Amino acid sequence: EDQVTQSPEALRLQEGESSSLNCSYTVSGLRGLFWYRQDPGKGPEFLFTLYSAGEEKEKERLKATLTKKESFLHITAPKPEDSATYLCAVRSGYSTLTFGKGTMLLVSP
Amino acid sequence: NAGVTQTPKFQVLKTGQSMTLQCAQDMNHNSMYWYRQDPGMGLRLIYYSASEGTTDKGEVPNGYNVSRLNKREFSLRLESAAPSQTSVYFCASSRDRNSGANVLTFGAGSRLTVL
Repeated sequence: EDQVTQSPEALRLQEGESSSLNCSYTVSGLRGLFWYRQDPGKGPEFLFTLYSAGEEKEKERLKATLTKKESFLHITAPKPEDSATYLCAVRSGYSTLTFGKGTMLLVSP
Repeated sequence: NAGVTQTPKFQVLKTGQSMTLQCAQDMNHNSMYWYRQDPGMGLRLIYYSASEGTTDKGEVPNGYNVSRLNKREFSLRLESAAPSQTSVYFCASSRDRNSGANVLTFGAGSRLTVL
């Protein structure tokens, strides 16, 4: 059974204070690790897909990295508009996605 | 381009009542999904439809039924609502469940309260 654990559950940063969110996973044969952003009252919005260890993807202030056991979402010099819940999900074989519980990020001005 | 549209956005039911959540996508996607999201539990898959004409159970299917009406529409029915079904429900679609990317596009959610 695929498992995804995200940490921390919540993170409070000052504007400009860089940090990282963690996603640890256990799967038999990773076919993709996904990061989504969810704003309050809205559905999750796709950010990145990573497929193999060592892969990195960037979008504005966000960079996602992947190892064989975990993924990190690095946030560089965050702004208040980066405040959201960030969800990690994995897919193995031809299964559907298994989501973590998310990290709630609050960036204060 | 509307993406994934869910109705209603909010609904209050009494225990034992029935209702149907509607979902439609305009992206010509083959696969559609229903998730529920509860505090501290994350997103959990209720049912999915890999393609038109097929449906399969997800992680938490008990108490729900689904219908893939056509390629665009996928509905979720609660036959006899229970307080444990109080949740936020999300419909999602993807181009193809079996593709490597399988990126999901989500609707805005339907908040259901069962009294």
